[in-house]
Amino acid sequence: EPEVTQTPSHQVTQMGQEVILRCVPISNHLYFYWYRQILGQKVEFLVSFYNNEISEKSEIFDDQFSVERPDGSNFTLKIRSTKLEDSAMYFCASSEAYRGESYNEQFFGPGTRLTVL
Amino acid sequence: RKEVEQDPGPFNVPEGATVAFNCTYSNSASQSFFWYRQDCRKEPKLLMSVYSSGNEDGRFTAQLNRASQYISLLIRDSKLSDSATYLCVVNMAGFQKLVFGTGTRLLVSP
Repeated sequence: EPEVTQTPSHQVTQMGQEVILRCVPISNHLYFYWYRQILGQKVEFLVSFYNNEISEKSEIFDDQFSVERPDGSNFTLKIRSTKLEDSAMYFCASSEAYRGESYNEQFFGPGTRLTVL
Repeated sequence: RKEVEQDPGPFNVPEGATVAFNCTYSNSASQSFFWYRQDCRKEPKLLMSVYSSGNEDGRFTAQLNRASQYISLLIRDSKLSDSATYLCVVNMAGFQKLVFGTGTRLLVSP
């Protein structure tokens, strides 16, 4: 069964450093997403990406964050200057298509645990 | 008011029991509804989409009441492996983001 993969599984960084989290979405999917989950809290939407551009983003996704699809398979999330409060699990997800009235079933990768010291 | 509200639990049930979870959502423009399950420190996994007519998948039954803005999940004949957090998830018309509830924790004991 096809699945979303993410690397690394755990990233430790110093405050102020840049990090890049990587994802390989399911191959025939067209929509890609990043979510985060701070320990003990709910899953929160960050950004969605379609046709090589951001299609939707949340208030959390400020200028410190960026996303990119550098080639035909990878989808990355960059945090330019990490803060302590960026420590969380970051999940990548993908969906086949957003079909308006139809169901937007999103499939999640195993996550990258980011620890900012 | 929270966008998606769930009882955090935990629900402690013996194996073989039937357990029901409820969820309410605040935005009447919500169009798609899902139950995901999340094991400790793992990713959310899609359990089932929730259709207006209600749907069943083996031991799991989901119901939607749009008038009351209420979603439910029923698990029959609970297994030890059902122990997890069950996330109620909603998607609004015209938006791609999923909005998650905080989850309901289920513990099934022998």
